[in-house]
Amino acid sequence: NAGVTQTPKFQVLKTGQSMTLQCAQDMNHEYMSWYRQDPGMGLRLIHYSVGAGITDQGEVPNGYNVSRSTTEDFPLRLLSAAPSQTSVYFCASSPRVGGLGELFFGEGSRLTVL
Amino acid sequence: GENVEQHPSTLSVQEGDSAVIKCTYSDSASNYFPWYKQELGKGPQLIIDIRSNVGEKKDQRIAVTLNKTAKHFSLHITETQPEDSAVYFCAASKASQGAQKLVFGQGTRLTINP
Repeated sequence: NAGVTQTPKFQVLKTGQSMTLQCAQDMNHEYMSWYRQDPGMGLRLIHYSVGAGITDQGEVPNGYNVSRSTTEDFPLRLLSAAPSQTSVYFCASSPRVGGLGELFFGEGSRLTVL
Repeated sequence: GENVEQHPSTLSVQEGDSAVIKCTYSDSASNYFPWYKQELGKGPQLIIDIRSNVGEKKDQRIAVTLNKTAKHFSLHITETQPEDSAVYFCAASKASQGAQKLVFGQGTRLTINP
């Protein structure tokens, strides 16, 4: 099993450009989520999904959009990139929708916005 | 909502010595406390977790202790080895809630010196 796969691993954007970070998991997990990791701030939840067709906002959703058309895929869209969105982004999935559940993370996507 | 503080932000120890990372949480209703390890260039991975019905849990060289009264929990690594070098994140949530309620600490970069 590949687990959680993120693409691209690195991306440089100019302010105002849009792009999509891809996330796919092959573990049939219902729960998927996106985090951003910034120095000194830990992991902050951007958006999450508890199943196909269901998404909701996390702690820092502004400037990002998500959709969940299939169980496997959960893309993150940056609508109009800003320098404040320079970060490392992680996609994570979990077998549990409610209650305790280990998060399985992808290897991350490093985004730089100039 | 829950707030998790993690200290220290960086920690350097000699190989073979012990390392301790501490976290405090604010919500007395939190009862699930996982620890994630992030190796360089990788996503975080669950290494150990504890629920509030126990005060300590061990897994080989790692252990986690929990003080519910003081609302703090700690990760202990004994006989440190070079492969223990990584960033460690603590987190807290209520076990009845989903992963979207998991709040992470700021992270500790642990360096093991040969």
